[in-house]
Amino acid sequence: AQSVSQHNHHVILSEAASLELGCNYSYGGTVNLFWYVQYPGQHLQLLLKYFSGDPLVKGIKGFEAEFIKSKFSFNLRKPSVQWSDTAEYFCAVSRGSSNTGKLIFGQGTTLQVKP
Amino acid sequence: EPEVTQTPSHQVTQMGQEVILRCVPISNHLYFYWYRQILGQKVEFLVSFYNNEISEKSEIFDDQFSVERPDGSNFTLKIRSTKLEDSAMYFCASRADSPYEQYFGPGTRLTVT
Repeated sequence: AQSVSQHNHHVILSEAASLELGCNYSYGGTVNLFWYVQYPGQHLQLLLKYFSGDPLVKGIKGFEAEFIKSKFSFNLRKPSVQWSDTAEYFCAVSRGSSNTGKLIFGQGTTLQVKP
Repeated sequence: EPEVTQTPSHQVTQMGQEVILRCVPISNHLYFYWYRQILGQKVEFLVSFYNNEISEKSEIFDDQFSVERPDGSNFTLKIRSTKLEDSAMYFCASRADSPYEQYFGPGTRLTVT
């Protein structure tokens, strides 16, 4: 069955530190890849997405992610985090061939940024 | 910016009772979804809905669950006889035909006692 794995459950960083959150998926076909963020008390918001083309995608708030097909990975990065990036981050995958587009989520990574 | 809305934000019910969770998707969207997140666990897909019928459902979505789009704007999830293990945050999402990103509502926290 298709699955998504996020390596880090809880990450604590100081402001200005660099961030990389790992995401791997287990489906061998064409995929659509997403990172969602959930700020405290708010709903899931799309950070960035990959459907095709340039494997390095840029999202909102300075985030980017790189799709490495050979590694089945879609890691999220940000060169310099801010206190306001404190949130939960979810990687999600849908099958490119799927008519329904259902999302399979990773277990989430809680990011805590210390001022 | 248009957004998905959900009501109520928090629902407390007794075991065995029926609950209806309501969602208003973004108006020009065609695909509708319900997901749930049990505390401390992953967000899990429940069901997708397109063209007035279920297009896919998960193993979780058994006979106790049903969905409906009664009036062209609301999208509801009904749980006929709630169990303790149905306690979770339930998220509604919608998307257009293209592009494929789903827009999520703020969720309804369901507590079954």
